[in-house]
This record gives sequence, C-alpha cells and structure tokens, in this order.
Amino acid sequence: DAGVIQSPRHEVTEMGQEVTLRCKPISGHDYLFWYRQTMMRGLELLIYFNNNVPIDDSGMPEDRFSAKMPNASFSTLKIQPSEPRDSAVYFCASSPNSGSAQETQYFGPGTRLLVL
Amino acid sequence: GESVGLHLPTLSVQEGDNSIINCAYSNSASDYFIWYKQESGKGPQFIIDIRSNMDKRQGQRVTVLLNKTVKHLSLQIAATQPGDSAVYFCAEANYGQNFVFGPGTRLSVLP
Repeated sequence: DAGVIQSPRHEVTEMGQEVTLRCKPISGHDYLFWYRQTMMRGLELLIYFNNNVPIDDSGMPEDRFSAKMPNASFSTLKIQPSEPRDSAVYFCASSPNSGSAQETQYFGPGTRLLVL
Repeated sequence: GESVGLHLPTLSVQEGDNSIINCAYSNSASDYFIWYKQESGKGPQFIIDIRSNMDKRQGQRVTVLLNKTVKHLSLQIAATQPGDSAVYFCAEANYGQNFVFGPGTRLSVLP
C-alpha cells in the first residue's frame, strides 16, 4: 500500500486566494483526519470523518475552512479566502475501523502551505 | 479541554546510549496513549502505543512506560542510533474522543 497520499506537497499562494488540499486515505480505512501543524501551536486536529461523514469539526478555526469527503478514497480541505496566518503544514491521516476513532493513525507526508 | 502538556526539551544523547523522553498528561480519563516520531519534512510515524490497563509495553528497541498515578508517560529508546534523531510526540485519547498531541521533544543523536 502506498500509504496516505496528499497533494500538493507544497503550495504558495497569495492572501485572499482559495486553497484546496487533497488527501487519499489508505484503502479500507474508515476514519480520516485533517491536522494542522505550526511551531506555535503544534499538531492540531481540525476535523475527522467516519465512513465519509464529518463527525467532529470543532477544530476548524473558522468559516473560511471547509472539508469534504465525497467518497471513501478522497477528501479535500479548502481555505477560502486564505490568510498569512493559515501558513502551516497540513496533514491528513487515516485509521482502520475499530468502533471508535481511538486507533493508530497513519499520517501522510503533509502539505506545506505558505500564504503571502 | 484538557490536553497533553510538555515542556519542550531538546534531548541530546550519544550514539549507543539509551534515550528517555518524558510526557505529562492532564486528563485522568485518558486510556490510550501513542508515541509518534516525526522526521524533518515528514508526517508523524507511529512508534508504539499503550492502553491504560498496562504500565509497560515493549517494542523493537523501544519501551513505553505508563504511570497513571502521576499521569506520566515515557518512551525509552535503547542503543540510540543516528536514525532516531527526530521530534517525538506523545498523544492521549479517551474512548470516543480524539487524540490530543503534545508539542513534542526533539531528540538529537550525537556521533
């Protein structure tokens, strides 16, 4: 298995532009997580899905952030409009179904976002 | 909410020595803990986990110790190698809740 796949690996954009990050989880995993990592705040959970349904989005910082999972093999995290403070590394992770979200998570390589 | 708290140390060890990375957690209801390793430019990688009904678990060259009385978790790496240089995160969760990650500890292995 190729593991969790994220694209793009790097994104540089200007303030106000829309940014879309993409994730393909490990096949057969029922949970998908989006995290943001910064030096100041560390690793923060933004949102997670179970069987394509958003379960907890309390970590999404504001309405500019949205996430979708149209099918079991694809998810997007969108920022519109982007701001410089959104600059971070965004990780997608997936985990198998054990009846809860409490299971080992497998992380993708991350997308490094820089908003100028 | 409660969260895993760490002073963020940078731990430097000589190659071949044992490393001990510590983590204090605050949520007494947490019953599952994981250690992750993150190398530069990569995502966190699972190392070892432990559930609250255990106080010790061993893997290959790694051991996790859990002290629920003082809410302390540690990761021991035996015979530390240059490839062990990374940032190490502990994470806690309780059933039905999501993981909360600590800020991490940087391990530097000296030749």
